[in-house]
Amino acid sequence: DGGITQSPKYLFRKEGQNVTLSCEQNLNHDAMYWYRQDPGQGLRLIYYSQIVNDFQKGDIAEGYSVSREKKESFPLTVTSAQKNPTAFYLCASSPRADNQPQHFGDGTRLSIL
Amino acid sequence: AQSVSQHNHHVILSEAASLELGCNYSYGGTVNLFWYVQYPGQHLQLLLKYFSGDPLVKGIKGFEAEFIKSKFSFNLRKPSVQWSDTAEYFCAVNRAAGNKLTFGGGTRVLVKP
Repeated sequence: DGGITQSPKYLFRKEGQNVTLSCEQNLNHDAMYWYRQDPGQGLRLIYYSQIVNDFQKGDIAEGYSVSREKKESFPLTVTSAQKNPTAFYLCASSPRADNQPQHFGDGTRLSIL
Repeated sequence: AQSVSQHNHHVILSEAASLELGCNYSYGGTVNLFWYVQYPGQHLQLLLKYFSGDPLVKGIKGFEAEFIKSKFSFNLRKPSVQWSDTAEYFCAVNRAAGNKLTFGGGTRVLVKP
């Protein structure tokens, strides 16, 4: 079955540490996205990538970084510069970047110790 | 920048009651509209979408939504809810040919058996 795999499901980080969240898709989708979900705020776009080796900042990119070296993979690094990293992170993909519904992974919950 | 508002944060109703969730957006141009649902413990799923054509859109599980351009609205409806409709519902908008999806804050719906 095709889909999006996010790992790990739960992640704990000490203050001052960088941490990388994994997102892999086998849907052969060109576009991939990272969102942050906070209660009452819906999903906010962190970064997105329309094709391999290309990505753009979303609405809340500060303190985050991404890479897109392979079509199926779009890892997100939460850096120590992110002031409030505790959240639920969702990865999504779509066949193209425009006009397409997005398919979502199960998410990773990041907590700061 | 476009924004999406969902008027109700929480809705509680009994089985067989009718459901209507409001969604308004701020962008004045041509848009694509989506409703996503997140059942407890599951990933976000597409409920229905509107790109063009008939403004009354039928989705899965008996849901429908009506696009009213003059009101910048895309309200979600279901005539008779079931306990299994308990979930969080998100409205989302992107500009036609755009690549950034903007989500509303979500509405948590609890259906009492």
